[in-house]
Amino acid sequence: DGGITQSPKYLFRKEGQNVTLSCEQNLNHDAMYWYRQDPGQGLRLIYYSQIVNDFQKGDIAEGYSVSREKKESFPLTVTSAQKNPTAFYLCASTRGFNSNQPQHFGDGTRLSIL
Amino acid sequence: QQQVKQSPQSLIVQKGGISIINCAYENTAFDYFPWYQQFPGKGPALLIAIRPDVSEKKEGRFTISFNKSAKQFSLHIMDSQPGDSATYFCAAIAGSARQLTFGSGTQLTVLP
Repeated sequence: DGGITQSPKYLFRKEGQNVTLSCEQNLNHDAMYWYRQDPGQGLRLIYYSQIVNDFQKGDIAEGYSVSREKKESFPLTVTSAQKNPTAFYLCASTRGFNSNQPQHFGDGTRLSIL
Repeated sequence: QQQVKQSPQSLIVQKGGISIINCAYENTAFDYFPWYQQFPGKGPALLIAIRPDVSEKKEGRFTISFNKSAKQFSLHIMDSQPGDSATYFCAAIAGSARQLTFGSGTQLTVLP
């Protein structure tokens, strides 16, 4: 079945540590997105990528980095510069820009600080 | 600055009742308005969506009403069921990158 796979489901970060969240899709979608979800604040866009080797900052990109070396993969690194990383992180993809195709979401990674 | 305002934050409805969630937006560049349903520990799933040139869209028990002049839209869930208990997000899309701007969510509880 096609879909988006996020791993790990739970992740713990120590002080000063960078951690990387994985997002893989087999939907042949061009565009991929990363969102952060905090209680009572909905989802906020961190980064997005419309094509391979290109990505753009979203509303809350500080303290995060991404790469898009392959169409199906869009990993997110939470760096030590992100002082409040505890949140639920969601990856999404859609067929492409200039499209109203719905964004499909993975089941998220919950990140906590040790 | 929150571009899509959603209310209420939480909603409790009896089984068989009507659940109503409201959203308002300011950015006139938004050109597509989806609603998402999210269960605990899962990612949001698209429920229903509407374009601003349509005043109402119905899919089964779910209806979106859209008021372009007031820049408001709402989700109505008819004959609400306990299985509908979830968090609902309204959203709006703009730009060539089709960026989603989400409301803050409504936690719906349908009592049996």
